[in-house]
Amino acid sequence: QKEVEQNSGPLSVPEGAIASLNCTYSDRVSQSFFWYRQYSGKSPELIMSIYSNGDKEDGRFTAQLNKASQYVSLLIRDSQPSDSATYLCAVNWVTDKLIFGTGTRLQVFP
Amino acid sequence: DTGVSQDPRHKITKRGQNVTFRCDPISEHNRLYWYRQTLGQGPEFLTYFQNEAQLEKSRLLSDRFSAERPKGSFSTLEIQRTEQGDSAMYLCASSLRGGSTDTQYFGPGTRLTVL
Repeated sequence: QKEVEQNSGPLSVPEGAIASLNCTYSDRVSQSFFWYRQYSGKSPELIMSIYSNGDKEDGRFTAQLNKASQYVSLLIRDSQPSDSATYLCAVNWVTDKLIFGTGTRLQVFP
Repeated sequence: DTGVSQDPRHKITKRGQNVTFRCDPISEHNRLYWYRQTLGQGPEFLTYFQNEAQLEKSRLLSDRFSAERPKGSFSTLEIQRTEQGDSAMYLCASSLRGGSTDTQYFGPGTRLTVL
């Protein structure tokens, strides 16, 4: 059973802090990894994609991938109340469908 | 680039009725995916197309569900004899196979409520 696991949260951080979101996956052949943000009642919105080991930065967001440990994370620097949402980790298996975790709910308080 | 669109955005139906949803992908995208999401869960894969060919269906997809993409552009998802357990958000996504990335972009979703 291929799985993607995330802590459901909520993860509460103060405004301006770094939020760290983590995800583990079960299949070593996974090729592509994605973080989506989902506001309540809305559809997932792509935040970051990462394909190779190491860090990838885009503005306030940094994705980190460690294939040996089967672990991918998302760091959000200078967190803002508008970042409050559910963050979904998704893994693209060989057949190109996405397998999602259950999501981590992030709350950024002023 | 107008993004992925879905219609209707909301659908309320009575148990036993048939419903059909439409998805229009990003215009140059050749792959189209359907997912279903229930409260507190991540999206769950249902099926996907490359052009007009349906390449994979989830084993969780009952035979009451059928999807088509007749001309390789828009797609429809039909649910026959709806059940209360079908209540969910139905999400469509598209991607460009053979492009520089395999990123899937999601539409706004269709929220189905079965009474």
